[in-house]
Amino acid sequence: ETGVTQTPRHLVMGMTNKKSLKCEQHLGHNAMYWYKQSAKKPLELMFVYSLEERVENNSVPSRFSPECPNSSHLFLHLHTLQPEDSALYLCASSHKLRDSGTDTQYFGPGTRLTVL
Amino acid sequence: KNQVEQSPQSLIILEGKNCTLQCNYTVSPFSNLRWYKQDTGRGPVSLTIMTFSENTKSNGRYTATLDADTKQSSLHITASQLSDSASYICVVSAGSNYQLIWGAGTKLIIKP
Repeated sequence: ETGVTQTPRHLVMGMTNKKSLKCEQHLGHNAMYWYKQSAKKPLELMFVYSLEERVENNSVPSRFSPECPNSSHLFLHLHTLQPEDSALYLCASSHKLRDSGTDTQYFGPGTRLTVL
Repeated sequence: KNQVEQSPQSLIILEGKNCTLQCNYTVSPFSNLRWYKQDTGRGPVSLTIMTFSENTKSNGRYTATLDADTKQSSLHITASQLSDSASYICVVSAGSNYQLIWGAGTKLIIKP
């Protein structure tokens, strides 16, 4: 499969559960991103990984933990989430991180997360 | 504060009609502006990117304009089709790929 894939597509979890979201890119890119998309709100950048560095949004709670074992895979580990964390979680990749912003980000289909 | 405002929040038009979506931004420094299309249940897909010196750029039935003086952009869709039903998101870059300021999007519904 080409492009950016995400699994699972849908996830329902309780507040005491631990789960992980997986993202894989088949584009040979060097930067990967996690975004949170809530209804009627702008995309919120959560984490960025590239060959050069890791960038975090300091407002992201510690109950979200990213892992990037290599340039093709990105995980988001979830534990003790709250109902307000229910949202669409999007993964994206691009060739590089630090440029003029002209480098296109390619998105996966997202994981629809519901926290009960 | 860096901000991107889109209007309208939602729009319903009949198939075959034209429409224009608006994007106003207050982002500094400005690098470029991009329009994304997001189908329901899918991730956003880039439609067009415009730099400071570009006023108009077309991609099929989509035409984007940029006025850097007034800090406004528009996305014009000609002869709309049912497949144009989606959310359209305006994104402004402040210099790098993690300094992107996202708008909340306009949800467009095309009715037959």
